[in-house]
Amino acid sequence: SQKIEQNSEALNIQEGKTATLTCNYTNYSPAYLQWYRQDPGRGPVFLLLIRENEKEKRKERLKVTFDTTLKQSLFHITASQPADSATYLCALKLDSNYQLIWGAGTKLIIKP
Amino acid sequence: KAGVTQTPRYLIKTRGQQVTLSCSPISGHRSVSWYQQTPGQGLQFLFEYFSETQRNKGNFPGRFSGRQFSNSRSEMNVSTLELGDSALYLCASSLDGTSFNEQFFGPGTRLTVL
Repeated sequence: SQKIEQNSEALNIQEGKTATLTCNYTNYSPAYLQWYRQDPGRGPVFLLLIRENEKEKRKERLKVTFDTTLKQSLFHITASQPADSATYLCALKLDSNYQLIWGAGTKLIIKP
Repeated sequence: KAGVTQTPRYLIKTRGQQVTLSCSPISGHRSVSWYQQTPGQGLQFLFEYFSETQRNKGNFPGRFSGRQFSNSRSEMNVSTLELGDSALYLCASSLDGTSFNEQFFGPGTRLTVL
C-alpha cells in the first residue's frame, strides 16, 4: 500500500543545534516533494519544494534533501531557535495527479 | 495581496445537521483544494476545484460535497453530520494546481459535532 511516514513522536532539540526531520514514502514516484510548517490553530505555510531530479535545496537556515532511491526526504533547520517550534509536514505531488499526499507531521520543540 | 480566507472560523453543530463552509482564494488563484485535518491523521484530501469543475476527489463519502463559483470562491457542504466529522477543515488555493505550485492555506474552520 502507498503511504507517507513522518516521525509521530515530538522531536526535542536544544536551541542552536540542527534539527533533522524525516519523511519516508513507499510505492510512490513523486514528481516533487514539499515541506510545510503548521502552527497550532493555523493552516500550513509553504517552506520549500524539491523536485525529483534535485538532491538538495536550501533557503536561509533550511535545507531539504531528496533521495528517490531511499524514498526519503530529510528536512534540516540549522542554528535552531525556539521560534522554529511547530509541526512540520511533508507532502508529495504525483506527476499524474493534481492532489498533494500528506504525511501526518512531526512536532518540533526547540528548547532554550 | 489578501490571503486565503475561510468562514466561519468556528462552528458547533449537532449530529444529523448539515453545514456549509466557505473559502475565498487569493486573487488570481483558480485552484481550490479542501482538506480535513484531525489529530494524528494529517491532512486528508477532500476535493479540488478548478474553473468551477471538480478535478479530483478524495476517499470521502457522498455526504461531503463542494462547488466553486465563477469568481473562484468555493464552498463545501457536509450533510447528515456525524461525530467523526469533527475536525479542522482547511482550504488551500494555488495558481492552477499543476506541478510545482505551492498551496496557500486559509486559517481553517474548526467544526465540532455534538
